Amino acid sequence: RKEVEQDPGPFNVPEGATVAFNCTYSNSASQSFFWYRQDCRKEPKLLMSVYSSGNEDGRFTAQLNRASQYISLLIRDSKLSDSATYLCVVSGGSNYKLTFGKGTLLTVNP
Amino acid sequence: DAGVIQSPRHEVTEMGQEVTLRCKPISGHNSLFWYRQTMMRGLELLIYFNNNVPIDDSGMPEDRFSAKMPNASFSTLKIQPSEPRDSAVYFCATTRASGGAATGELFFGEGSRLTVL
Repeated sequence: RKEVEQDPGPFNVPEGATVAFNCTYSNSASQSFFWYRQDCRKEPKLLMSVYSSGNEDGRFTAQLNRASQYISLLIRDSKLSDSATYLCVVSGGSNYKLTFGKGTLLTVNP
Repeated sequence: DAGVIQSPRHEVTEMGQEVTLRCKPISGHNSLFWYRQTMMRGLELLIYFNNNVPIDDSGMPEDRFSAKMPNASFSTLKIQPSEPRDSAVYFCATTRASGGAATGELFFGEGSRLTVL
């Protein structure tokens, strides 16, 4: 099983749609979880951290299920500017070691 | 504030040549990471420095790769000799870390896109 696994997509959705991405991780000792966003030919940037109780930032909601070892990201009312690759990131047993999933490509269409 | 600065942004070289990639971290960030990104393998951690000391180089693919951090303001990743399969985008990322633990927000440079012919 890969350390961090994501559906690569692509996801093509119309503006205003709600879209959800899932990510699974293999290391049950992982402590920290994040979603990063990477625009085409740009560097990754932190979108949001993922907390055990779930957390929301505007149109974005992240959830963590430790028992099933998966993380989700929900985007509501999607905008054209949300088009990007979304990377699931999990810390390893050593907390500095952040392992990135390969990413899920989202395209929001007008 | 200046972010993480990488150079060169693009490099095209021939197989067998030496390649040196450079990174200037954000001032005050004591942890520095070198990542490589390809379509096939995604983002892979190559090496991690904390307070200028290499902590984990288990991701360095082979002896052709080496990295240094002579001071808090500068790091290099060197490939000698380069091979076509080294073609990738190489990212440097930095963060503040306490006891080596990542806070979560890695600040990435814009990357160095390497093509080895």
